[in-house]
Amino acid sequence: AQSVTQLGSHVSVSEGALVLLRCNYSSSVPPYLFWYVQYPNQGLQLLLKYTSAATLVKGINGFEAEFKKSETSFHLTKPSAHMSDAAEYFCAVRGDVRFSGGYNKLIFGAGTRLAVHP
Amino acid sequence: DGGITQSPKYLFRKEGQNVTLSCEQNLNHDAMYWYRQDPGQGLRLIYYSQIVNDFQKGDIAEGYSVSREKKESFPLTVTSAQKNPTAFYLCASSMVAGGTNTGELFFGEGSRLTVL
Repeated sequence: AQSVTQLGSHVSVSEGALVLLRCNYSSSVPPYLFWYVQYPNQGLQLLLKYTSAATLVKGINGFEAEFKKSETSFHLTKPSAHMSDAAEYFCAVRGDVRFSGGYNKLIFGAGTRLAVHP
Repeated sequence: DGGITQSPKYLFRKEGQNVTLSCEQNLNHDAMYWYRQDPGQGLRLIYYSQIVNDFQKGDIAEGYSVSREKKESFPLTVTSAQKNPTAFYLCASSMVAGGTNTGELFFGEGSRLTVL
C-alpha cells in the first residue's frame, strides 16, 4: 500500500530564507512522486514530479526535490523564499496501478501551509 | 487553451437539497476524478472514471453520485444523504496509466459548497 506523511502542517520562513517542506512516503512499488501547490480558493498546480529518472528533480518557480530511497523521502526545497511562495503544498504518491485497474490514483499528504514574512 | 472547467465556483445549499457540480475538460483525457478537500485533511477521493459509462467509488463515496455520459464531462451530485457536505470540491483528469504515463493529475479551480 502507498501512503504519504508531510511533517509540519504549518511552516513559516522569512523572505529570502531557505524553504524546506518535508515528505515521507511508503510504497510497495517503485514510486512516482509529486509536489503540488495550491493558492487560496484555487485548484492544485503541479510543481514537480519524480518518475524514476534523476533523483534531483527541478520544478517551476525555483523549487526542487530530491528522491532518497534509503530515507523514503522526497523533501521540497527552495533556496530563497519569496512572498509569492505563500501557499499550501501537497506531496503525493501514485497508487499501485496493478490494484486500481489502471487508474492514476494519487494518494495525497495532509498538506503543509507555507507562510512567508518580510 | 486546454484545461478543466468547474462550475459554479461558489454554491450555497439548504439542508436536504441535492446539488450538482459541473466538471468539463478539453484535454482529451480518458480518466476523471472528484476529490473533496477539508482543512488539515488533504484530498480525499470520492469517485473516479476511466471511460465513458464507467466509474468507481473512491474512499468517501457515500452521499455522492456521478455520471460519465461523455468523455469531456464528469458531474458530481452531492445528495441529501451526505451528512457533512460543506467542503471544497476538486475535479481532475489524467491520461490512463500505462506506457510512459507518470500519473500526473490536472486539476480544475474547484467548487466551494456551503450548506446553510
